[in-house]
Amino acid sequence: NAGVTQTPKFRVLKTGQSMTLLCAQDMNHEYMYWYRQDPGMGLRLIHYSVGEGTTAKGEVPDGYNVSRLKKQNFLLGLESAAPSQTSVYFCASRGTSANEQFFGPGTRLTVL
Amino acid sequence: ELKVEQNPLFLSMQEGKNYTIYCNYSTTSDRLYWYRQDPGKSLESLFVLLSNGAVKQEGRLMASLDTKARLSTLHITAAVHDLSATYFCAVGWTGTASKLTFGTGTRLQVTL
Repeated sequence: NAGVTQTPKFRVLKTGQSMTLLCAQDMNHEYMYWYRQDPGMGLRLIHYSVGEGTTAKGEVPDGYNVSRLKKQNFLLGLESAAPSQTSVYFCASRGTSANEQFFGPGTRLTVL
Repeated sequence: ELKVEQNPLFLSMQEGKNYTIYCNYSTTSDRLYWYRQDPGKSLESLFVLLSNGAVKQEGRLMASLDTKARLSTLHITAAVHDLSATYFCAVGWTGTASKLTFGTGTRLQVTL
């Protein structure tokens, strides 16, 4: 049981490049979330999903897109990366009957 | 707009001392979470507080919730160096896809 995993762990992009971050969970959780964490700040919600095929905007969705084609996977896409998107990205998941979110190890993204 | 404020933002304390971290939030909530984050690591769940007056303890840490005052506290008793980390509170609600709003975090440094 791996819990929540994220791919890749580190990535460096140039401005304007695109990439996709993958989050996978093996706990059969309905809810999944993408957060970003910037220095000196708490986590801020980018997008979330309440089930396969559904997504919704969080607090800071601009510049990101997401997809949840399979229940166990939640993809975060950056179509045209900007330096302001340099951050650590965390994925989390939660079951409908659980009280807490479980977090992945994070992806450290640098946009030059 | 929900605001979650933690104070202090940085806390340096000596081993053996006691201290309290405060988490204030601006709107009603029915659940409050405390997380620990070590440098470069993901978030580790410490406590989930689900009702007014809830108190939970684990080792040298004790968390409480006062929903009427919209205040949660994380009390540290006889601090040890291993407690050095950043502590986040997060506020959530049922029925809203269990989204969380995080505080800015309190960086705790326990010195010998």
